Amino acid sequence: GAVVSQHPSWVICKSGTSVKIECRSLDFQATTMFWYRQFPKQSLMLMATSNEGSKATYEQGVEKDKFLINHASLTLSTLTVTSAHPEDSSFYICSAPRPSGKDTQYFGPGTRLTVL
Amino acid sequence: QKEVEQDPGPLSVPEGAIVSLNCTYSNSAFQYFMWYRQYSRKGPELLMYTYSSGNKEDGRFTAQVDKSSKYISLFIRDSQPSDSATYLCAMSQGAQKLVFGQGTRLTINP
Repeated sequence: GAVVSQHPSWVICKSGTSVKIECRSLDFQATTMFWYRQFPKQSLMLMATSNEGSKATYEQGVEKDKFLINHASLTLSTLTVTSAHPEDSSFYICSAPRPSGKDTQYFGPGTRLTVL
Repeated sequence: QKEVEQDPGPLSVPEGAIVSLNCTYSNSAFQYFMWYRQYSRKGPELLMYTYSSGNKEDGRFTAQVDKSSKYISLFIRDSQPSDSATYLCAMSQGAQKLVFGQGTRLTINP
């Protein structure tokens, strides 16, 4: 069935560097993808909606200059955490709407970011 | 007040027990209701999907939605140790944006 992949699954970086996370829909096209952030033992918080061919839509309180989103193609969205700091350490998960038309989504396996 | 409330648990039950998980919500515009299962350090996996009120059954899982009470439930029959995970309820108004509950950590003890 349809699958969403993420790369890398785990990344450690130094404070001040930038990290790019990729989200791919493997056998279906996704004009929209979503990026979530999840802290330990907490729920998923929607960060932004990634739109192919146009700017991403950010949720209130999410810094768009900090979290750069690019939806380069119908199967790829990227999230770049710029000038990362330890407080950016988290589990980042992307999702894409199911092609079936039902209003639900396939989720990627997540990327664990640790900023030292 | 959060849009979606879910008891984070943890909830621990013996193998074979019936598990009841639930969420309440405040936004009457929600029309789509989902339950996701999330294992540690993995992405959520869709378990059940329901549109509007009613019941839906899939194997050992039953989802119930009561829009009049703004209350949804997930029942797991004959629970297995492999069911141990965090269960997240999620809802949407139909614009694809999901609002999640906090998640309930469930442990099934052999």
